[in-house]
Amino acid sequence: AQSVTQLGSHVSVSEGALVLLRCNYSSSVPPYLFWYVQYPNQGLQLLLKYTTGATLVKGINGFEAEFKKSETSFHLTKPSAHMSDAAEYFCAVSLTDSWGKLQFGAGTQVVVTP
Amino acid sequence: DAMVIQNPRYQVTQFGKPVTLSCSQTLNHNVMYWYQQKSSQAPKLLFHYYDKDFNNEADTPDNFQSRRPNTSFCFLDIRSPGLGDAAMYLCATRQNTLRTDTQYFGPGTRLTVL
Repeated sequence: AQSVTQLGSHVSVSEGALVLLRCNYSSSVPPYLFWYVQYPNQGLQLLLKYTTGATLVKGINGFEAEFKKSETSFHLTKPSAHMSDAAEYFCAVSLTDSWGKLQFGAGTQVVVTP
Repeated sequence: DAMVIQNPRYQVTQFGKPVTLSCSQTLNHNVMYWYQQKSSQAPKLLFHYYDKDFNNEADTPDNFQSRRPNTSFCFLDIRSPGLGDAAMYLCATRQNTLRTDTQYFGPGTRLTVL
């Protein structure tokens, strides 16, 4: 079975500060991992994904994530938060033998303060 | 731009009155998914189509049905909406079922049940 766990349902950061969102995974096979962002009353938008190759993945809007197999982690970071980063962020793992289904984490709500 | 479109964006229905939500895509993807997302929760997969093959999740209530008349369109029918069915409904598409493929989401339809 595969799953992801997001640590912290709410994160508050100051504008200009580092954004760090934590995601740990559990998988018996090489995981394929995704980060999505959801703005209020919108669908999910892909920020970045890890499949194979380089473990540091760069995404849109200045976000990046590092796949660390030894720590079973795929944390999302952004060096400097903008007000526009206020949203909900979901980590997800692509399931095996499941027609491409995603298993989502519970989500982390990010609040950016001036 | 190729995209996933959902109509309407907001839908209000009465308790027990059938309602249909619509999703269309210009991506020509083989797979289409329907998710239910309740407030502050992760999306929950209801069912998906691979081409015309329908796959229902084991815990999806019988009250929820779907149709995919062609590659571009997919509909979610709620036969007798209850108050507990009020949620955001998300449609997503995917090229095929490789685990590395990205799911592309529409903007969602927010359903209110009175």
